[in-house]
Order: sequence, then structure tokens, then C-alpha cells
Amino acid sequence: QQQVKQSPQSLIVQKGGISIINCAYENTAFDYFPWYQQFPGKGPALLIAIRPDVSEKKEGRFTISFNKSAKQFSLHIMDSQPGDSATYFCAAKTSYDKVIFGPGTSLSVIP
Amino acid sequence: DAGVIQSPRHEVTEMGQEVTLRCKPISGHNSLFWYRQTMMRGLELLIYFNNNVPIDDSGMPEDRFSAKMPNASFSTLKIQPSEPRDSAVYFCASSFEGVYGYTFGSGTRLTVV
Repeated sequence: QQQVKQSPQSLIVQKGGISIINCAYENTAFDYFPWYQQFPGKGPALLIAIRPDVSEKKEGRFTISFNKSAKQFSLHIMDSQPGDSATYFCAAKTSYDKVIFGPGTSLSVIP
Repeated sequence: DAGVIQSPRHEVTEMGQEVTLRCKPISGHNSLFWYRQTMMRGLELLIYFNNNVPIDDSGMPEDRFSAKMPNASFSTLKIQPSEPRDSAVYFCASSFEGVYGYTFGSGTRLTVV
């Protein structure tokens, strides 16, 4: 019930294309859904986040879509760039600050 | 702010030795988390503290692992004795009441030979 599922495991996208990563959860007690971006040799960094009472949040080229009834959420990266190549983690937070991470998606944006 | 500071960045040790990883959270943050990252298991939460008190240590794999937070600006994760399967990158992260998510340190890459 604490698990966060994520797909695909890896993704290759052409420069300028749209990258889409999907996640699902089961625990309805989760109250905050962040996405993290990790570059090799670095710690994960918060990219964008959404609360379950919002269906969509956009920040620049990054958009989270949230479907509360389906318990699914996704990250869309518009106009993907080679600099976006990284590992992306979706996550879910419990009410007392514990964050559970998905297994990660390795994104490669090719020129 | 210098962010979350972890030391050492790399640690190579022999099986059976004691290893201590250190973390300095961001000033003002009241929650601190230790994660372990491996290819096989991804990011695993080991333990987290709130206001210096351990809240959930259910992710600590064995009694060989222990963590302390003697004050708001310092935490340690100790492995005694270390084993090759403990080889991983260990991250420390901090936050304030979960607001704005976690800030992670750069991690300690531990290799046990």
C-alpha cells in the first residue's frame, strides 16, 4: 500500500519531443506528490510537485497531470532538450512527512 | 545556504570495519532523512527524524545500522560491521514540515570490499 509504481523504466525521446512518465499509487493517505530529477553523481532535486486537490500544474516546460479517482499522475516534459537527460522519480508523501519514491525513469533526449 | 552537506563523498572500507556517514541539514529544517540508493532497489528510506527524534526506522535493514541526531545541525549513520552488500550511495535529505519537498545532499558513495 506504500508503494509507488512508475513507468517506463527508460525512455528515449528526440529533441523537441514530449517525454511522458506515468506513476500510480494505492494509499489514499498520500497528500503531496513531488517529482525529482537526478543527474549522475548528484542527489535528487525537487522539480515540480502537486497536491491531490489540483488536477494539473505547469511550470515552464514541465507539467504534472493528476487523476485522483484513478490514483495516477504523470509528468510531461514539453520540447524535451538534451539537458533534460536524467533520471526522474515520482514520489508520494504521507501526512507526517515520509516520502516514498518510485523506482525511477531514465530519460535520454537525443539530438 | 550551502545546502545539505554530507561527508565523506566517497568511502572505501574493508568488510567488518565500522563506517560512519555524516550529514549537516539545512539550517531551520526540522526533518532529516537517510536514504540508500542502489540499482536493484532504487531509493530506500532508511530512517527519518523530526525535531531530532527518530520517527520511523522501519527501513533500517539490520541491527548493524544505527542513526543518531544529537542536535538540529548534525546526524550520523553508522554501519558496524560493514558488509559488501552495504555498498551503495547513501543520501541525507532535510525539509521543513515537508513544505517544498526535500533537499538532498550530494551523497556518500560507500564501497565495502
